[in-house]
Amino acid sequence: DTEVTQTPKHLVMGMTNKKSLKCEQHMGHRAMYWYKQKAKKPPELMFVYSYEKLSINESVPSRFSPECPNSSLLNLHLHALQPEDSALYLCASSQEGHGEKLFFGSGTQLSVL
Amino acid sequence: SQQGEEDPQALSIQEGENATMNCSYKTSINNLQWYRQNSGRGLVHLILIRSNEREKHSGRLRVTLDTSKKSSSLLITASRAADTASYFCATLKAAGNKLTFGGGTRVLVKP
Repeated sequence: DTEVTQTPKHLVMGMTNKKSLKCEQHMGHRAMYWYKQKAKKPPELMFVYSYEKLSINESVPSRFSPECPNSSLLNLHLHALQPEDSALYLCASSQEGHGEKLFFGSGTQLSVL
Repeated sequence: SQQGEEDPQALSIQEGENATMNCSYKTSINNLQWYRQNSGRGLVHLILIRSNEREKHSGRLRVTLDTSKKSSSLLITASRAADTASYFCATLKAAGNKLTFGGGTRVLVKP
């Protein structure tokens, strides 16, 4: 199994809603990532978890809250988002988190109204 | 600012032609990776080249790395319509542990 599974594929939410994005991998990878990608732009790193501990937070606003319940799961909790947060949110994993290749999920296309 | 800058931003070719895109970066790197992204989908890893390597091949893909010029190129030979996608380079800084993506090249292969 070399897949990273993200749910939901699409999400529309209002600015007062609370929602969560989910990501799962069963490759035994110990590093997991959240990226944000706007249309026609490169992915921008948001968070990195290494061995279930948050190792990188790229100064992401607190309305985005990551959680790593175990080594296979990664969540991104969303609250009080702004319309400019609308983007494709990508989850990725890698073996150890030392700059080796990333395996990406298909993403969640988020629209904030 | 982005570590990698890609050139050209967009490329349109006929099926069967070769496609070449370039990536330039600013600081010393540990490795450089190329990824492909189909519209609205996740990225797929293509090739990783380390700073002590100069060239790597994978099927119809050829990647070169020139650390003296801080640049890399990706060549897709005998392109197919299915190669239509955005291609991103990503660099791992020599003293870092996170990849930084370049702006990407959008490739259109016309049948």
